[in-house]
Amino acid sequence: QVQLVESGGGVVQPGRSLRLSCAVFGFAFSSYGMHWVRQAPGKGLEWVAVIAYDGSNKNYIDSVKGRFSISRDNSKNTLYLQMNSLRVEDTAVYYCAKVHQLWSGLGAFDIWGQGTMVTVSS
Amino acid sequence: DIVMTQSPDSLAVSLGARATISCKSSQSVLYSSNNRNYLAWYQQKPGQPPKLLIYWASTRESGVPDRFSGSGSGTDFTLTISSLQAEDVAVYYCQQYYSTPPAFGPGTKVDIK
Repeated sequence: QVQLVESGGGVVQPGRSLRLSCAVFGFAFSSYGMHWVRQAPGKGLEWVAVIAYDGSNKNYIDSVKGRFSISRDNSKNTLYLQMNSLRVEDTAVYYCAKVHQLWSGLGAFDIWGQGTMVTVSS
Repeated sequence: DIVMTQSPDSLAVSLGARATISCKSSQSVLYSSNNRNYLAWYQQKPGQPPKLLIYWASTRESGVPDRFSGSGSGTDFTLTISSLQAEDVAVYYCQQYYSTPPAFGPGTKVDIK
């Protein structure tokens, strides 16, 4: 069964760090670009970061550049998001999502995880 | 960066009636070399992750009911629900994946009148 399972969310103080994981099941993880998308409480969807199928290319929304780092371990079928210097405005549900096209970094997101909540508060 | 807008912000439609949502991009998302529009539509119900409905602007994802259809090209797109069902109550988002950042529209909330 194709599935993405996020973990690692929680409550953290401003300026601290958190590492999110997204475990992948049921498809050839190493063949697809992967993304992180977030949704602040009561708000819309905001794209955060992308990583190519082989990890060779990464990109971020401007507001997280220099603070967040996306990575993947294809041998463990796992995607990561390292979040440093967290701010109150980073509070959101974080989703990992799979691109529908083989080998492509950009594409429609056909599989989503259930999300993990990150709350940044003092 | 490409900016996505949607209209209306919300709409209420009677059961069995048609619902139409508009999405506009600030730049064309039509890739001339393959004549494909890099535009997707998602449905999100409360407490759930988004679900892909339509990609390439008009291709229905496997398992999506045929009452959902997408149309448009370039910068103007439409999602149509031909006969609204109770289970279609949700927020609908369009998204361009033509360039990074792959931006989402602000969403349109669909409810029953």
